[in-house]
Amino acid sequence: GENVEQHPSTLSVQEGDSAVIKCTYSDSASNYFPWYKQELGKGPQLIIDIRSNVGEKKDQRIAVTLNKTAKHFSLHITETQPEDSAVYFCAASKYDYKLSFGAGTTVTVRA
Amino acid sequence: NAGVTQTPKFQVLKTGQSMTLQCAQDMNHEYMSWYRQDPGMGLRLIHYSVGAGITDQGEVPNGYNVSRSTTEDFPLRLLSAAPSQTSVYFCASSYDTNQPQHFGDGTRLSIL
Repeated sequence: GENVEQHPSTLSVQEGDSAVIKCTYSDSASNYFPWYKQELGKGPQLIIDIRSNVGEKKDQRIAVTLNKTAKHFSLHITETQPEDSAVYFCAASKYDYKLSFGAGTTVTVRA
Repeated sequence: NAGVTQTPKFQVLKTGQSMTLQCAQDMNHEYMSWYRQDPGMGLRLIHYSVGAGITDQGEVPNGYNVSRSTTEDFPLRLLSAAPSQTSVYFCASSYDTNQPQHFGDGTRLSIL
């Protein structure tokens, strides 16, 4: 099955700086790559996703890049704010509804 | 629109007991799934359904049963609870494959 690795496991940044989380996947047939944000006591919430026919996607302060050849994708958060503190998960799937998740990154934004 | 609703929010069981975790969605989504979340392991797929009457196994199905008699509901059953099933359980739904999955807020289950 698909194996998704996520790094780093924890990330501490100064407010206003950028945060980058990287994921690699094993199955070259994977074609859908969502990112989720999870706040304490809540379920994961989709923040951005990208499909394999696109190399980069941006939504305000959040961007995702995909390198299909290297089988890795990254989440970039610019101008971080305290409300960006949360656990972030990457995931990958083929066209079969089965999402495989990374282990998560705990992001702390220092004021 | 309540989205995905999970009940109960918390539950403590004794080893060997059975229980059903409830999941309901009001978005008319065909696809529903159950995940468990354990520290340092992300979310792992237990079972999923692509429509009423159709279910299939995910990555970690052992010890769990599901059924899907309606579009709205997708209950998860633990037939004989074991301490290894202590976890946080999330239900999710989406309207199609490779479309955003909407998650409930989880059921925190402890098995003693």
